[in-house]
Amino acid sequence: EDQVTQSPEALRLQEGESSSLNCSYTVSGLRGLFWYRQDPGKGPEFLFTLYSAGEEKEKERLKATLTKKESFLHITAPKPEDSATYLCAVQGSSSGTYKYIFGTGTRLKVLA
Amino acid sequence: SAVISQKPSRDICQRGTSLTIQCQVDSQVTMMFWYRQQPGQSLTLIATANQGSEATYESGFVIDKFPISRPNLTFSTLTVSNMSPEDSSIYLCSVEGGRAGGNTDTQYFGPGTRLTVL
Repeated sequence: EDQVTQSPEALRLQEGESSSLNCSYTVSGLRGLFWYRQDPGKGPEFLFTLYSAGEEKEKERLKATLTKKESFLHITAPKPEDSATYLCAVQGSSSGTYKYIFGTGTRLKVLA
Repeated sequence: SAVISQKPSRDICQRGTSLTIQCQVDSQVTMMFWYRQQPGQSLTLIATANQGSEATYESGFVIDKFPISRPNLTFSTLTVSNMSPEDSSIYLCSVEGGRAGGNTDTQYFGPGTRLTVL
């Protein structure tokens, strides 16, 4: 069964203190791994799609990497506006054509 | 990516009633999806809605409880029927936004509908 586990559940950082969020996954035939940001009361906002091990993508202070078992979302010199819940999802070849399996997210709080 | 809107943004309903949630997209899309996000939990796919065909429901979700309409390529509705407090959740619609070099599409989400059932 496809599964996604995110850690830590919650993370508090000082502004400028870099860190990484982890997304461990078990999936049969990875088709894509997706990172989203979700602010309170809003829908998930797309950040990155990674398709194969070794792939990396960057956007401003965020960098996503992918291995065969996990993905990391690296946050460099975070600012208070980076505070949000970060969600990871996978899509595998056994879960149907379109189904995403989501983790429960990491709640990030960046203190000024 | 597509611009997605949902109505209502939030509602408080009484047990035993039904609520219909609307999802509107600013461009034509083949696939639309409905998710549920219960408090403190991850997103769970309810069903996939293709225009012109019956929705495909995931295990644990049935058409009598969550009927879906997909009358055209830019619009869908999800009805939560005979509601109970356990149906209190955020309901989200999403659409595919195209591929970026890989073999699957990225899904983009609407702002969500926050439902509270008393």
